[in-house]
Amino acid sequence: KQEVTQIPAALSVPEGENLVLNCSFTDSAIYNLQWFRQDPGKGLTSLLLIQSSQREQTSGRLNASLDKSSGRSTLYIAASQPGDSATYLCAVRGSSNTGKLIFGQGTTLQVKP
Amino acid sequence: NAGVTQTPKFRVLKTGQSMTLLCAQDMNHEYMYWYRQDPGMGLRLIHYSVGEGTTAKGEVPDGYNVSRLKKQNFLLGLESAAPSQTSVYFCASTNTSLRGNEQYFGPGTRLTVT
Repeated sequence: KQEVTQIPAALSVPEGENLVLNCSFTDSAIYNLQWFRQDPGKGLTSLLLIQSSQREQTSGRLNASLDKSSGRSTLYIAASQPGDSATYLCAVRGSSNTGKLIFGQGTTLQVKP
Repeated sequence: NAGVTQTPKFRVLKTGQSMTLLCAQDMNHEYMYWYRQDPGMGLRLIHYSVGEGTTAKGEVPDGYNVSRLKKQNFLLGLESAAPSQTSVYFCASTNTSLRGNEQYFGPGTRLTVT
């Protein structure tokens, strides 16, 4: 059974710092991995999707990497801003044809001005 | 495009009452999903559908039923609500032929069962 873990559960950094969020999964037979952002009381916004054949994806100040063999993904946020404060969730899609996602519990990030 | 919409946004039920949550998407997606989000538990899949007229159980299906009579709509029903069903419910959809199956989420429905 696929399990997804995100460490740390919470993170507080001063504005301007570069930071890394971690996601690990137990079954390396994944189709893709998706990083989401969730603001308090809101829905999920997709940030980056990495296909199983890819090593990384970039969007602006965000860079996500994937090491399928070791069951790890990282989300790198450069030059953090207070507006980056949110909960970040990673989710993996298995190799079945159902498209189901298995989510980690999230990392809540606070960027202090 | 409105994307994925959910109705209602908030609801308070008494134990034993029933209700239906509506999810609608205007992206012509084949696949649709219902998740629940609880503190410390992350998002867990309740039911899903891979096409009009089809439904299947997810990780936590007990106490819920679903229907997909139209491609654009996915309904989640609670026949007899229990306090354990207090949660935030999210609907999602995806098109398997685009962008590696990126899932798009609705804004959520906050349900409290007293």
